Amino acid sequence: AQSVTQLDSQVPVFEEAPVELRCNYSSSVSVYLFWYVQYPNQGLQLLLKYLSGSTLVKGINGFEAEFNKSQTSFHLRKPSVHISDTAEYFCAVSPYSGAGSYQLTFGKGTKLSVIP
Amino acid sequence: EAGVVQSPRYKIIEKKQPVAFWCNPISGHNTLYWYRQNLGQGPELLIRYENEEAVDDSQLPKDRFSAERLKGVDSTLKIQPAELGDSAVYLCASSDRFGYGYTFGSGTRLTVV
Repeated sequence: AQSVTQLDSQVPVFEEAPVELRCNYSSSVSVYLFWYVQYPNQGLQLLLKYLSGSTLVKGINGFEAEFNKSQTSFHLRKPSVHISDTAEYFCAVSPYSGAGSYQLTFGKGTKLSVIP
Repeated sequence: EAGVVQSPRYKIIEKKQPVAFWCNPISGHNTLYWYRQNLGQGPELLIRYENEEAVDDSQLPKDRFSAERLKGVDSTLKIQPAELGDSAVYLCASSDRFGYGYTFGSGTRLTVV
């Protein structure tokens, strides 16, 4: 089984400042890693994912994340946030499966609030 | 291309009443997922379909929840009877057979009073 821990439930940050949202995972098997964003009253939108290859993954809206296998972490970063980045962010893992379909296990989410 | 379509967006029912949610996945997506998201939590998988076959329903409370995916396209999730604790957002997602294009719908927000 897999588990995901998002270390901060809420992160306030000033506009144009950098931000890091932390995610640690636990798994006995190899995993794929994901970050999703959820705006109020909407579904989840994929920001980025790590399947293999380079451990630094770039996603949409200027976000990036780095996979650190030894620390079992997949922290999300953005060098300069905008008001429009205010949302809830979810880290998720899926066990590696050659079948292709994902069984996502989500963290509890981090609410990012960008302060003007 | 239309995304994953769910209806209704919102539903308020009294406890012990039945309720159903509908999901239309992205065209050509073989795999369909139903998730439940409780307030302040991340989504939790309820059931996964590969075409019309439910391949993982271990987290589905089978005493009151049921799901079907006729012809391997649209899917319906039903609760009968609903309990207060079922209040949550029910999310549908779909992906192709390679796992790409994993896309969520906007969800149905259920309130049981």
